[in-house]
Amino acid sequence: LAKTTQPISMDSYEGQEVNITCSHNNIATNDYITWYQQFPSQGPRFIIQGYKTKVTNEVASLFIPADRKSSTLSLPRVSLSDTAVYYCLVGAALFSGGYNKLIFGAGTRLAVHP
Amino acid sequence: DTEVTQTPKHLVMGMTNKKSLKCEQHMGHRAMYWYKQKAKKPPELMFVYSYEKLSINESVPSRFSPECPNSSLLNLHLHALQPEDSALYLCASSPDGPNTEAFFGQGTRLTVV
Repeated sequence: LAKTTQPISMDSYEGQEVNITCSHNNIATNDYITWYQQFPSQGPRFIIQGYKTKVTNEVASLFIPADRKSSTLSLPRVSLSDTAVYYCLVGAALFSGGYNKLIFGAGTRLAVHP
Repeated sequence: DTEVTQTPKHLVMGMTNKKSLKCEQHMGHRAMYWYKQKAKKPPELMFVYSYEKLSINESVPSRFSPECPNSSLLNLHLHALQPEDSALYLCASSPDGPNTEAFFGQGTRLTVV
């Protein structure tokens, strides 16, 4: 499994764009990069997934450079409700026999202030 | 319906009690998971069921006993737990296929006294 490194915590203010970078130097050729969000006392929620270049959905963008050794989750114009823990998962979705073995790293605690 | 429903939401049990956690999904997912999460830590994988068969047991103590009675239901039977087993227990499910999105329930907050 590719080891991931994320900042332990980040602070931002409402209306700002937040970029959370994840390092994964030993990413394998067939590994995808997936981000989950978790609010206190709730289960994680899938945000976005990508393999290379840029992926965008209604809540976030994911930027992946050509060497794929890092990735950046971008949250546009954050609000107080974006305060959560964000997990970057790489090479953790080992598919075998119908399931994906998701292994979570330490994650980044994002605090959004008024 | 994209929900994974876990019951109960909260559970307090003594160290000699036997209790069960229940998880249900009606999305047709054939993979179901149990995770344990301690405060301010990431979720830790405990068990994986695929097509109602136990596929992964991450060296979990035998006082935790999973069961998958059918493709929609996953149980976790608890017996003789220790106070350090107090945690948030999360259930998840995912469709068949690589890199598919996992759907998590809200969890059961377990306190062992």
